[in-house]
Amino acid sequence: DSGVTQTPKHLITATGQRVTLRCSPRSGDLSVYWYQQSLDQGLQFLIQYYNGEERAKGNILERFSAQQFPDLHSELNLSSLELGDSALYFCASNPSGADTEAFFGQGTRLTVV
Amino acid sequence: GENVEQHPSTLSVQEGDSAVIKCTYSDSASNYFPWYKQELGKRPQLIIDIRSNVGEKKDQRIAVTLNKTAKHFSLHITETQPEDSAVYFCAASMEYGNKLVFGAGTILRVKS
Repeated sequence: DSGVTQTPKHLITATGQRVTLRCSPRSGDLSVYWYQQSLDQGLQFLIQYYNGEERAKGNILERFSAQQFPDLHSELNLSSLELGDSALYFCASNPSGADTEAFFGQGTRLTVV
Repeated sequence: GENVEQHPSTLSVQEGDSAVIKCTYSDSASNYFPWYKQELGKRPQLIIDIRSNVGEKKDQRIAVTLNKTAKHFSLHITETQPEDSAVYFCAASMEYGNKLVFGAGTILRVKS
């Protein structure tokens, strides 16, 4: 157990819908990272938050947004879902920046039908 | 742009042989280079990491080397075992430590 909790574990939804993925970082970690892993693909960096503020952005679609709340949990919102959005979405956390070990949650598997 | 290239994409070795995975990065300011192992259906987990002030680091059968001038780093696994079979990802910190960018991954298969 990495200490990073993601909910839900599985999510099935229809095209055009909107979903919210939740991540609770390890106790004391200020940074949260979101990654997308499509079938047979690598880990694509989406976005990073540090202590409530957006710090870095990857190739995140405009239909996707995220935020980190005062209690440091984070949510990734995916809207106008398309079939191609089906993937495993990982959240990771670490105490500060990207120059220390990042601990991953178990992921949320999103299936868009 | 900011990217990490990883080769090979798949690697098959015989049990007991060595495996080498190589990565190159684009950001000359990168100073942290972790390697993650992801078993099927599980989360990525750190297996070893190296910082830019070190050229080599070893942990039992696993070693990582870094060439800052050439901007490449490699993972070496010796005496491979079937349980080493997994997907391995290299990564590099970018944007002054604000972003951790991963390579595309290498599927390692160890045949017994």
